[in-house]
Amino acid sequence: EVQLVESGGMLVQPGGSLRLSCAASGFTFSSYSMNWVRQAPGKGLQWISYISSAGAAIQYADSLKGRFTISRDNAKNSLYLQINSLTVEDTAVYFCARGTWSYAFDSWGRGTLVTVSS
Amino acid sequence: DTVVTQSPLSLPVTPGEPASISCRSSQSLLHSNGHNYLDWYLQKPGQSPQLLIYLGSNRASGVPDRFSGSGSGTDFTLNISRVAAEDVGTYYCRQALQPPRVTFGQGTRLEIK
Repeated sequence: EVQLVESGGMLVQPGGSLRLSCAASGFTFSSYSMNWVRQAPGKGLQWISYISSAGAAIQYADSLKGRFTISRDNAKNSLYLQINSLTVEDTAVYFCARGTWSYAFDSWGRGTLVTVSS
Repeated sequence: DTVVTQSPLSLPVTPGEPASISCRSSQSLLHSNGHNYLDWYLQKPGQSPQLLIYLGSNRASGVPDRFSGSGSGTDFTLNISRVAAEDVGTYYCRQALQPPRVTFGQGTRLEIK
């Protein structure tokens, strides 16, 4: 069974940094691209970033470029998202999602909550 | 940027009745390879999203056949032939015209009357 489990979400002060993790199991992690998507409280879905299966190709949403860094460790079956200079607008549940050959997101984690507040 | 707009934003439905959600794109999502890069997702209350339909009309694994997707270019529709109680949630269309960069629609909240 495919499983994606996010962690690392917490209460952070504005201006702080955070590293989110996504632990994958039940499939060959190194064969799949991965993505991060977030959802602010009561709002819709916002794609953040993509990383190819080997990590060679990376893309970010234009509006978020510069403060977010995606990475992966295929030996550890893990995906990461580094977020710097956090603002209250970054308060959201952050999901990792597996990508398919057609770029659909066929498996999602349950998400990890990031709260930015003083 | 390619924008996808859903309608309606709220959809009350009687169980057993059909339902339809529209998704319109600001640019054609029909790629030169013949695929329409439009997916549909359902987020049930308190859960993470799940893939329903990919490439416009292909049902994802395990999705009941009462769900179907249609359309091409800029206009797409998600149809539910007979709404069940477990279909409650928010439906999102998502475009991938310039993959892997994607954007989601605003979401359509389906509720049971």
